[in-house]
Amino acid sequence: DIVMTQSPDSLAVSLGERATINCKSSQSILYGSNNEYALAWYQQKPRQPPKLLIYWTSTRESGVPDRFSCSGSGTDFTLTIASLQAEDVAVYYCQQYYTTPVTFGQGTRVEIK
Amino acid sequence: DVQIVASGGGLVQPGGSLRLSCVASGFTFSDHWMHWVRQLPGEGLAWVAHIDSDGRRTNYAGSVKGRFTISRDSDKNTVYLQMNSLRAEDTAVYYCARGERGFDKLLDSWGQGTLVTVSS
Repeated sequence: DIVMTQSPDSLAVSLGERATINCKSSQSILYGSNNEYALAWYQQKPRQPPKLLIYWTSTRESGVPDRFSCSGSGTDFTLTIASLQAEDVAVYYCQQYYTTPVTFGQGTRVEIK
Repeated sequence: DVQIVASGGGLVQPGGSLRLSCVASGFTFSDHWMHWVRQLPGEGLAWVAHIDSDGRRTNYAGSVKGRFTISRDSDKNTVYLQMNSLRAEDTAVYYCARGERGFDKLLDSWGQGTLVTVSS
């Protein structure tokens, strides 16, 4: 199975400041047919199901604010929240959908400092 | 609008069985793979099983293989998860999620989840 490892486990950021979450895959998740990485990010707010934020490493789901961005290559990826808002408090998960079983990172809790 | 509603959770004794249901609406059900993902209390997400769009192919996490069965009924736009020989470690919120059309393991819509508690 591909292991997804996120860091840090939690972080506290002041409103308006940048939040950065890292995700590392244990092997390549480069999808050959489109040369994109099969990596997605999900946001889970308390008592809610996860919500797809970003896929193919950097494509935002419809309606996701542009303060959310992602980059990466190889086996290392980063989710950035450019200017943290109160509504961004949540747990964020990366996921590889390159192969079965799909696997998730352990999650990163983002809080307001 | 896409709607995915899971139900059927509850309290069950170790060794018991439970069947979860997931009713989908707002999209062409037969175009999409469907998945079950679970979240243990206070923990992260773990994929459980998926079924392809026409119900011919299924796959399971190792921890549930041989005990859980995923199926679908296209007439009812419903996917099921039959859970047998339940263990305490199966206690979790179970989410039903849709696979994106074309990239089936990308989970683009999720239901609210149903809580399964395995305890004596």
